[in-house]
Amino acid sequence: DAGVIQSPRHEVTEMGQEVTLRCKPISGHNSLFWYRQTMMRGLELLIYFNNNVPIDDSGMPEDRFSAKMPNASFSTLKIQPSEPRDSAVYFCASSFVGYYTFGSGTRLTVV
Amino acid sequence: SQQGEEDPQALSIQEGENATMNCSYKTSINNLQWYRQNSGRGLVHLILIRSNEREKHSGRLRVTLDTSKKSSSLLITASRAADTASYFCATDERASGTYKYIFGTGTRLKVLA
Repeated sequence: DAGVIQSPRHEVTEMGQEVTLRCKPISGHNSLFWYRQTMMRGLELLIYFNNNVPIDDSGMPEDRFSAKMPNASFSTLKIQPSEPRDSAVYFCASSFVGYYTFGSGTRLTVV
Repeated sequence: SQQGEEDPQALSIQEGENATMNCSYKTSINNLQWYRQNSGRGLVHLILIRSNEREKHSGRLRVTLDTSKKSSSLLITASRAADTASYFCATDERASGTYKYIFGTGTRLKVLA
């Protein structure tokens, strides 16, 4: 099993541009989570899906953020337009029951 | 919002010593988990303890849970340089049918060779 796969690993973009982060969860896992990690705020849960359905998006900072899970093997997190304060490491995690398996993260830098 | 707070924020010990990290949380939980994060990497699950358990072991790891105090501790015995990492506790919220975990602020452990 390749684990949770995130792409890209690094993204540098200019303020105002659209950014799309991608995640492929582990096959058979029915829950998927997007987290953001910064030094100031630690790990923040942005949104999570259960059986491809968004359950709780209360952590999504603002309307500039959106997430989709069109099928069990793919999810995207989109930021449009991006701002410098969005710079962080974004993690995707999946689970079946209990513990999470995390991807390696996408380091986003908005300049 | 963060549910858990780890203590201490940073810990530096010599190889071979034991490392103890504490986690306090705010609301009732079903489970508590500990994760490790090496620099620049994703989090790796270490151990899960259920609310009806008081202690659990896994190799050199020992986790305790005190639900009356809403606290947990992670003990790493005979530490190694490779244990250098950040350690996070994560607690679930009692929402039915979900496995939503909130992570604490983390303890940065440095093991000196």
